[in-house]
Amino acid sequence: EVQLVESGGGLVQPGGSLRLSCVVSGFTFSTYWMTWVRQAPGKGLEWVANINQDGSDKYHVDSVKGRFTISRDNAKKSLYLQMNSLRAEDTAVYYCARDISYGDLDYWGQGALVTVSS
Amino acid sequence: DIVMTQTPLFLSVTPGQPASISCKSSQSLLHSNGKTYLHWYLQKPGQSPQVLIYEVSSRFSGVPDRFSGSGSGTDFTLKISRVEAEDVGIYYCMQGTHPPKTFGQGTKVEIK
Repeated sequence: EVQLVESGGGLVQPGGSLRLSCVVSGFTFSTYWMTWVRQAPGKGLEWVANINQDGSDKYHVDSVKGRFTISRDNAKKSLYLQMNSLRAEDTAVYYCARDISYGDLDYWGQGALVTVSS
Repeated sequence: DIVMTQTPLFLSVTPGQPASISCKSSQSLLHSNGKTYLHWYLQKPGQSPQVLIYEVSSRFSGVPDRFSGSGSGTDFTLKISRVEAEDVGIYYCMQGTHPPKTFGQGTKVEIK
């Protein structure tokens, strides 16, 4: 059974940092692109970043460029999102998802809530 | 960035009746490889999103055949032939052709 489990969310002050993790099981992690998508409270979905199979290719949405970094550890079957210089507008549930082809996200985690507030 | 515009934003449907959601993109979603990466997702209340349709018209495994997708270029449609109670939630289109990937605003479907 394919599973994606996010962790690392929580309350952080503006300007602070947080690292989200997504541990996967049930499939060969190293053969898939992976993606982070977020959803602000009561709002729609926003694609945040993705990374290719060996981590050599990464893309981030403009609103997080220079502040967030996606990475992965294939030996640990884990996806990460390092979030620095957090702002109130980064408050959201962050989902990790498996990308099988150009945004076809076939499996999603349950989400991790990040709240940026003083 | 590609702007995805969904209409309507809210749909109230009687069980057994059809429903249709439109999604328009600000640029053609035809990739240079000949494929069109337009996908449809459903987020049921309190759940993570799930893929329904990928690449315009292909149903994901386990998705009932009452769901269908169509379209090309910049205009796309998701149709539900006969709405059931379990279809409530927010439907999103998403384009994967042009980076960064972008979602539509979402269409909330409720049952009358």
